[in-house]
Amino acid sequence: EVQLVESGGGLVQPGGSLRLSCAASGLTFSSSAMSWVRQAPGEGLEWVSSIDGSGANTYYADSVRGRFTISRDNSRNTLYLQMNSLRAEDTAIYYCARIVYCGSVSCNYFDHWGQGNLVTVSS
Amino acid sequence: DIQMTQSPSSLSASVGDRVTITCRASQSIANYLNWYQQKPGEAPKLLIYAASSLQSGVPSRFSGSGSGTDFTLTISSLQPEDFATYYCQQTYTTPTRTFGHGTKVEVK
Repeated sequence: EVQLVESGGGLVQPGGSLRLSCAASGLTFSSSAMSWVRQAPGEGLEWVSSIDGSGANTYYADSVRGRFTISRDNSRNTLYLQMNSLRAEDTAIYYCARIVYCGSVSCNYFDHWGQGNLVTVSS
Repeated sequence: DIQMTQSPSSLSASVGDRVTITCRASQSIANYLNWYQQKPGEAPKLLIYAASSLQSGVPSRFSGSGSGTDFTLTISSLQPEDFATYYCQQTYTTPTRTFGHGTKVEVK
């Protein structure tokens, strides 16, 4: 059974930093592209960042580029999201998710999700 | 950027009803469209990928159709566990992916 367990969230002041972790089990982690998706309170889903299985290629939404860094440690089966210069609008539940490709780069979906971790940016 | 517009934003329905949710892309996305279900306090769950492929383990009362700019998620006979919020997601512009704003299915 695939399990993704996030940790590291909490309350942080504007301008502060936080690192989220996502521990994976039940899958071949080093072969799995991964992503972070967030959901502001009462709002919809927003794709944040993705990384390929090797960690060599990373991608970001415009809203977080230059402030957030996605990375992974395949020896620990763990995905990370380093969040710097946090703003009130970054307040959200952050989910990690596995990406599955179905025949082409554009054919892909998120088949397994973590339970989510709340990040609150407030003074 | 491709915008995804879902309609309606909410709907009221009864158990046994046929429910249809629409997702429209601001430009053609071929069939690179997924559907997710999210219940309060839970993570999203994949229902349909590539517009019409049913994810393993998802009941057959869920179906998806469409291509280009217009897509539909249909629940053929609404069950009590189907009251939730549904999101479409385009992956045409991978690595950037865009979700619709969601459609909440409520009890009538």
